[in-house]
Amino acid sequence: AQSVAQPEDQVNVAEGNPLTVKCTYSVSGNPYLFWYVQYPNRGLQFLLKYITGDNLVKGSYGFEAEFNKSQTSFHLKKPSALVSDSALYFCAVRAYVRSTLTFGKGTMLLVSP
Amino acid sequence: KAGVTQTPRYLIKTRGQQVTLSCSPISGHRSVSWYQQTPGQGLQFLFEYFSETQRNKGNFPGRFSGRQFSNSRSEMNVSTLELGDSALYLCASSLVGRTSSSQETQYFGPGTRLLVL
Repeated sequence: AQSVAQPEDQVNVAEGNPLTVKCTYSVSGNPYLFWYVQYPNRGLQFLLKYITGDNLVKGSYGFEAEFNKSQTSFHLKKPSALVSDSALYFCAVRAYVRSTLTFGKGTMLLVSP
Repeated sequence: KAGVTQTPRYLIKTRGQQVTLSCSPISGHRSVSWYQQTPGQGLQFLFEYFSETQRNKGNFPGRFSGRQFSNSRSEMNVSTLELGDSALYLCASSLVGRTSSSQETQYFGPGTRLLVL
């Protein structure tokens, strides 16, 4: 079985400061990892994904994520947070062909002015 | 390209009724997945369709069903609605090309918010 843990329900950061949203996963075999963002009353928007290759993945809106196989983590990062980054962030994992996409519980990011 | 569209966006039903939700995937996408999102349970996978065939199914009762048409559009149906079915229902589509489908990105629609009274 595959699973995702987002240990923080909420992350608070001041605008201009770096942000990190944590994600750890459990899967058999090679993981395919995704980050999505959800704004109020909206669907999920794709941010970035890790398939293979460089451990640092760059995505939309200045976000990046670092894949760490030994720690089974895929933390989302941004060097300088914006108030408009405030939203609900989901990490997701998928393993073998035809497996389903499993989501974490989500982390609410609040960026204060 | 237009994104994933879902209709209706909002729906109010009463217990015992049934409901049908519709999803139109991104043009060229052949896989459609459905998810239920609630504050307590988060995002839960309902089912996935590819080429009109159900490929995966989540752990939901038989009251939840779906289908996919030849143009890749999909519908999901919930019969005998319960209060606990109140949720945001999200549809996602992906291309399913020559690469492993596990690598492909799912693109989500805005969702249908269902309220059961």
